[in-house]
Amino acid sequence: AQSVTQPDIHITVSEGASLELRCNYSYGATPYLFWYVQSPGQGLQLLLKYFSGDTLVQGIKGFEAEFKRSQSSFNLRKPSVHWSDAAEYFCAVGHPPLGSARQLTFGSGTQLTVLP
Amino acid sequence: DTAVSQTPKYLVTQMGNDKSIKCEQNLGHDTMYWYKQDSKKFLKIMFSYNNKELIINETVPNRFSPKSPDKAHLNLHINSLELGDSAVYFCASRGKGRGNGTDTQYFGPGTRLTVL
Repeated sequence: AQSVTQPDIHITVSEGASLELRCNYSYGATPYLFWYVQSPGQGLQLLLKYFSGDTLVQGIKGFEAEFKRSQSSFNLRKPSVHWSDAAEYFCAVGHPPLGSARQLTFGSGTQLTVLP
Repeated sequence: DTAVSQTPKYLVTQMGNDKSIKCEQNLGHDTMYWYKQDSKKFLKIMFSYNNKELIINETVPNRFSPKSPDKAHLNLHINSLELGDSAVYFCASRGKGRGNGTDTQYFGPGTRLTVL
């Protein structure tokens, strides 16, 4: 069965520092991979996604992620964190179940705290 | 201009009551979902509808009944509410076929349900 692991429950960084959030997946075929961000009291916003092609994908708000098949990873990075980036980050893998719907399996999330 | 909207945003009710959460999307998508986010922020799919047809029905108590009157709406009705139903419920919709929206799920702002 497919699964997504985000090994870091909570990460704290200083504003202006670089950031890397880890995501490992388990899936039998080529996965569709996503990163979503959830700000306090808000819904989930899509940051970026990987379907195929270039393994380094760019997203919104200056985020990027790199798909590494050999490591089954899709880590999220940002070179310089802003205080507004403080939020919960979710990695997800998309996979087709029966029918035409596509299902997402989410990781448990990483809470990011940004220090001034 | 909200793509995926949910009402209400907050719902506080007593155990044993019946309540409904409404979801509407104006993206023209064919597929809609309901997710439950528990107190530990873990997101799990509950249901998925494609063209008003139930596609995914995860292990959810039959007190939960989704209803899709048309492709743009997927409502969630909950009977005999229990304390353990307290959570944030997210609606999402997914694009079909071509374009940048393919295989991407867009989430609503969530409904925080508190059962007393």
